[in-house]
Amino acid sequence: GAVVSQHPSWVICKSGTSVKIECRSLDFQATTMFWYRQFPKQSLMLMATSNEGSKATYEQGVEKDKFLINHASLTLSTLTVTSAHPEDSSFYICSARTKGVLGTGELFFGEGSRLTVL
Amino acid sequence: AQSVTQLGSHVSVSEGALVLLRCNYSSSVPPYLFWYVQYPNQGLQLLLKYTSAATLVKGINGFEAEFKKSETSFHLTKPSAHMSDAAEYFCAVSTWGSASKIIFGSGTRLSIRP
Repeated sequence: GAVVSQHPSWVICKSGTSVKIECRSLDFQATTMFWYRQFPKQSLMLMATSNEGSKATYEQGVEKDKFLINHASLTLSTLTVTSAHPEDSSFYICSARTKGVLGTGELFFGEGSRLTVL
Repeated sequence: AQSVTQLGSHVSVSEGALVLLRCNYSSSVPPYLFWYVQYPNQGLQLLLKYTSAATLVKGINGFEAEFKKSETSFHLTKPSAHMSDAAEYFCAVSTWGSASKIIFGSGTRLSIRP
């Protein structure tokens, strides 16, 4: 299957700093990428849908100024957690949908990035 | 709006026993349904998906699921559990269209007893 790579896998930062997480589709073009947040022992919560070349669509309750999403190319989307606080600590997972597939297509998931804010 | 409900946050079976993970969906239009598996500190891996073709879907690692419209269910089964099947399993539903997105259930943690 297609490969989606997230970087970094683990990140620890101080409160008030910003952290950028990258999501890359390595062997396919992804017109749509999704960012999820997962708390311990819980399901994935969709944060936003990112379409290449346009603004991300955020789910209700997700602060767009807090979680900046950029999808500048067909193979890269980034999530920046701005002015991070301890409550932002979580497991962030991205997924990508292959280009040209209407309907659902198949989602390919990154390995996840664990953010710990001290 | 689409949603899925997974019955049982934790299921424990003996090695070699039948695995049954339950999922019920709610959708106003014909759904696309998925089962994903997640190992600790990893992303998700697709086990199988239903996209309105055959109602019995076979996936990887010996898993299969049956779409039952009358019961609005999409339960995941495996005839004989292996220790390596211990993981978190998520049922998910998706809408149709270029703006579609996948919504996940709450997850079921599968434990395998020796």
